Amino acid sequence: VRLQESGPGLVKPSETLSLTCTVSGGAVNSGSYYWSWIRQSPGKGLEWLGYVYYDESTTYNPSLKSRVTISLDASKNQFSLKLTSVTAADTAVYFCARLNWNSWHFDLWGRDTLVTVSS
Amino acid sequence: EIELTQSPGTLSLSPGERATFSCRASQTVTNSYLAWYQQKSGQAPRLLIYAASRRASGIPDRFSGSGSGTDFTLTITRVEPEDFAVFYCQQSDGSTFTFGQGTRLEIK
Repeated sequence: VRLQESGPGLVKPSETLSLTCTVSGGAVNSGSYYWSWIRQSPGKGLEWLGYVYYDESTTYNPSLKSRVTISLDASKNQFSLKLTSVTAADTAVYFCARLNWNSWHFDLWGRDTLVTVSS
Repeated sequence: EIELTQSPGTLSLSPGERATFSCRASQTVTNSYLAWYQQKSGQAPRLLIYAASRRASGIPDRFSGSGSGTDFTLTITRVEPEDFAVFYCQQSDGSTFTFGQGTRLEIK
């Protein structure tokens, strides 16, 4: 199973950051795993953003809940992240990851994608 | 939210030496749901240990995890040249997830 992020590397302040993670070698709607987004910046280290399940239920980091939406498209075997009203503080490397609910750990990660927020 | 504090910040060792990493939680970690990851420069983190002491698939047995409650340890019995990287701990209760700030293992 492999995960691959895609999306713009540059987003303007106040706009919406949109990223997609394509899963190959496994089905996002199998129900065996959750699908998550994590970001990493020098200032805040590793920060979990949220996850989506095959039934499209979601859980988000409370600190970002009002700005984050994670969705799943089983027909494309993808899941996506939208982060609204971005600022420079949202500049980070973004990872998609597979979340194993058996003890809640991230057992598979995508390569990463750097997103810079700048005008 | 449970905060994780890792120590030391940097560990300087020579290949063949024993490495010990500490992760301390601000509250008891639910069911010892604590994981350890290794991250090399320019790469995504790689899962090493989950549920405090279970090695992930393909991880060499020189890596081991222990602990419960609020104190957890990752040990590398004999550091290999390819082990030098940053190591993170992570905990969850299923609704929130937090990571430690990391410990850098560098060549002495």
